[in-house]
Amino acid sequence: QTVVTQEPSFSVSPGGTVTLTCGLSSGSVSASYYPSWYQQTPGQAPRTLIYFTNTRSSGVPDRFSGSILGNKAALTITGAQAEDESDYYCVLYMGSGILVFGGGTKLTVL
Amino acid sequence: QVQLQESGPGLVKPSETLSLTCSVSGYSISSGYYWDWIRQPPGKGLEWIGSIYYTGSTSYSPSLKSRVTMSVDTSKNQFSLKLTSVTAADSAVYYCLRQWGGTYYFDYWGQGTLVTVSS
Repeated sequence: QTVVTQEPSFSVSPGGTVTLTCGLSSGSVSASYYPSWYQQTPGQAPRTLIYFTNTRSSGVPDRFSGSILGNKAALTITGAQAEDESDYYCVLYMGSGILVFGGGTKLTVL
Repeated sequence: QVQLQESGPGLVKPSETLSLTCSVSGYSISSGYYWDWIRQPPGKGLEWIGSIYYTGSTSYSPSLKSRVTMSVDTSKNQFSLKLTSVTAADSAVYYCLRQWGGTYYFDYWGQGTLVTVSS
């Protein structure tokens, strides 16, 4: 079974830029995988950030952007703020109605 | 505003069946979209369980397919999850969600409900 890979952890300085990635254990991610991104703070339900590779969900600040970088989907935070310290998950569509979450990236802002 | 609310027992015995219901308000399930379940074991990541269309068509995670059944009750505007033969590894917060079929993302989330498997 194909595994969706994410960096386990990342850190960024306040005001800095960070790019989190979402890949496959076998193969390349493209737009046809419909990558989406979710943010989760401790004790809360996740929040939708990005869908269809690069479309921001309603109310999401424009410092969050999505793209395909090389063979992975990417979530870039430009001008990171303290409130962006969260867990970030990507989801890929594998076909036949099946979705798979990545393992998540714990982002520290310090 | 679409709202989803999970309900069901918070404690299930090993080898028994976990049953949860998601009540939807602010939107009629029979109007479309897919309706999903995901879970999150304590301190771990998110796992997609499966989805159901209002017609009853389902898709399940290959790793859980043998134990999962989802159903929909359009008259009550609810959909449900059954997971059989549970073990401690099935202890998790279970979320119900609405999925945009076609672009395959989740736009509305329930608050989640903790289910513990223990004797």
